[in-house]
Amino acid sequence: QSALTQPASVSGSPGQSITISCTGTRSDVGGYNYVSWYQQYPGKAPKLMIYDVTHRPSGISNRFSGSKSGNTASLTISGLQADDEADYYCISYTSSTLWVFGGGTKLTVL
Amino acid sequence: EVQLLESGGGLVQPGGSLRLSCAASGFTFRSHAMSWVRQAPGKGPEWVSTIGGSGGSTYYADSVKGRFTISRDNSKNTLYLQMNSLRAEDTAVYYCAKPKDTSMVSPPDYWGQGALVTVSS
Repeated sequence: QSALTQPASVSGSPGQSITISCTGTRSDVGGYNYVSWYQQYPGKAPKLMIYDVTHRPSGISNRFSGSKSGNTASLTISGLQADDEADYYCISYTSSTLWVFGGGTKLTVL
Repeated sequence: EVQLLESGGGLVQPGGSLRLSCAASGFTFRSHAMSWVRQAPGKGPEWVSTIGGSGGSTYYADSVKGRFTISRDNSKNTLYLQMNSLRAEDTAVYYCAKPKDTSMVSPPDYWGQGALVTVSS
């Protein structure tokens, strides 16, 4: 099972919006609405930001939103803030094993 | 409050074995599938294994299939990961993770503090 494909890095200025993509196949991202997104700071455990493609857990800012088109899921962060600077990972249910993570994207707030 | 406390990490030689434990509290343990996720130094998380609430269903990443065994003791609210034939590439922090809800397709939500496993001679 290959990791889902994410851009290695994205950047944006405070107040702007950015989008991180997560590309898989019909066996994972494209076949099921079970894509989630995590935010991770160095030395900390990942934090769930989006689940089931579009849903936000309680307490997560509505600046974070998720979507999916075909085999690609996306995480959009609007109104960028300095503390959004972190690593972001997607994860998808897959019919072959159970879960597969993306390779991760480092977000830099300029 | 959900708490997950891993133990059993350490330094082991290539080819050796190690068993990780995860003591869970603050939720109905037997109702939830539980997972192990690892993260190698400087790398992203990698899903390792998941076990159903009753222990009857188990799933493994291809990278550990045949070498690792996940199990649970619902009477002790404890999750285990038996790791055999360890390789250098198994070096990572291993997290015990609880899903957001009781569905098998619910993503990990709560994570333990992690247990460092180092495979080196």
